[in-house]
Amino acid sequence: GAGVSQSPSNKVTEKGKDVELRCDPISGHTALYWYRQSLGQGLEFLIYFQGNSAPDKSGLPSDRFSAERTGGSVSTLTIQRTQQEDSAVYLCASSSWTVSEQYFGPGTRLTVT
Amino acid sequence: QKEVEQDPGPLSVPEGAIVSLNCTYSNSAFQYFMWYRQYSRKGPELLMYTYSSGNKEDGRFTAQVDKSSKYISLFIRDSQPSDSATYLCAMSAFYNNNDMRFGAGTRLTVKP
Repeated sequence: GAGVSQSPSNKVTEKGKDVELRCDPISGHTALYWYRQSLGQGLEFLIYFQGNSAPDKSGLPSDRFSAERTGGSVSTLTIQRTQQEDSAVYLCASSSWTVSEQYFGPGTRLTVT
Repeated sequence: QKEVEQDPGPLSVPEGAIVSLNCTYSNSAFQYFMWYRQYSRKGPELLMYTYSSGNKEDGRFTAQVDKSSKYISLFIRDSQPSDSATYLCAMSAFYNNNDMRFGAGTRLTVKP
């Protein structure tokens, strides 16, 4: 079946601009995660959605970052007033209630110039 | 000290070699352990999943968990150039929760 998809695959933006990154999880998966991966670094947890529960936003690095999940499916991560340190690969993952394994999308490579 | 420590490498081996990748951790509550493989410019893909201590084998891959030592390993037998990737360990304490912690990843190159 279809896996997790993300768009765009690459995004180059100027410092100060806003960007939106999209994630389509695996159909039926109730949990959705956003991570950030910088060169040579592990995955940095950003935000977690589980069903209709309030999201866990504890990993968001600043108030310039926000995310929403509409209809329990598609999610959008928004970064306002981008900074050069926001340059990274943003990964989305989903999982179901019955297992703890997370399935990742291909990521969006964000470059802030 | 990081919760999960993983040697970033890089690790380079000849084709056919046995590869050993390792992670140590500090949180004794971790009981779900995973290995992900990440090819360049791709998302991580789940390779192995184990619960609690013990071994799990899948083809050329064997995952080992030693909870008493807080140490997990991934062995790759008869390594192939197609195994060249970054390998990330991951672990969590709770089932289906957002407490998963990842290692930084070990970059492996298998030379023909």
